[in-house]
Amino acid sequence: AQSVTQLDSQVPVFEEAPVELRCNYSSSVSVYLFWYVQYPNQGLQLLLKYLSGSTLVKGINGFEAEFNKSQTSFHLRKPSVHISDTAEYFCAALSGGSYIPTFGRGTSLIVHP
Amino acid sequence: KAGVTQTPRYLIKTRGQQVTLSCSPISGHRSVSWYQQTPGQGLQFLFEYFSETQRNKGNFPGRFSGRQFSNSRSEMNVSTLELGDSALYLCASSLGSGTTEAFFGQGTRLTVV
Repeated sequence: AQSVTQLDSQVPVFEEAPVELRCNYSSSVSVYLFWYVQYPNQGLQLLLKYLSGSTLVKGINGFEAEFNKSQTSFHLRKPSVHISDTAEYFCAALSGGSYIPTFGRGTSLIVHP
Repeated sequence: KAGVTQTPRYLIKTRGQQVTLSCSPISGHRSVSWYQQTPGQGLQFLFEYFSETQRNKGNFPGRFSGRQFSNSRSEMNVSTLELGDSALYLCASSLGSGTTEAFFGQGTRLTVV
């Protein structure tokens, strides 16, 4: 079964600094990867997804992620964060043939002024 | 187009009661999934319905059940509520293939007292 590990439960960072949220998944022949963001008292919103092709994926709100097959990682990055980026971020993986993504435990991004 | 709608947004129930939550997916989406989100356990998959049939099921007791109607709207029922059932219940809809993204509703916050 697929598993997803988000290595940091909480990441504090100052405004305008760069940030990286780490995600590792268990190896699979074919895997689709997603990053979602959840603001307080809201549902999850898709930031970006990797299905195939270029390993660098650009998403909304200036976020990007890089698919690294050899390291089974899909880390999320943003070069300069804003206060409004404060939220919970979830990495998810979908193995070929499955309809249900596996979610990581989430990383709380806290942006300080 | 309208997003995923979950009703009610907030609910307070007493231990031992039962509750029904509702989810209206995005028009044209045939798959509806339900998740339980708690601070301790993160996002846990409950079940998924596709064209009125339960296609996938998570590891939850039989007190948790669901159904999907011909218009793709879905309901989730929890009987004999326990304090530990207090959580944010999220519904997600998708077209139904494994590679398409899931669109989440804002959730129903259930508090069991």
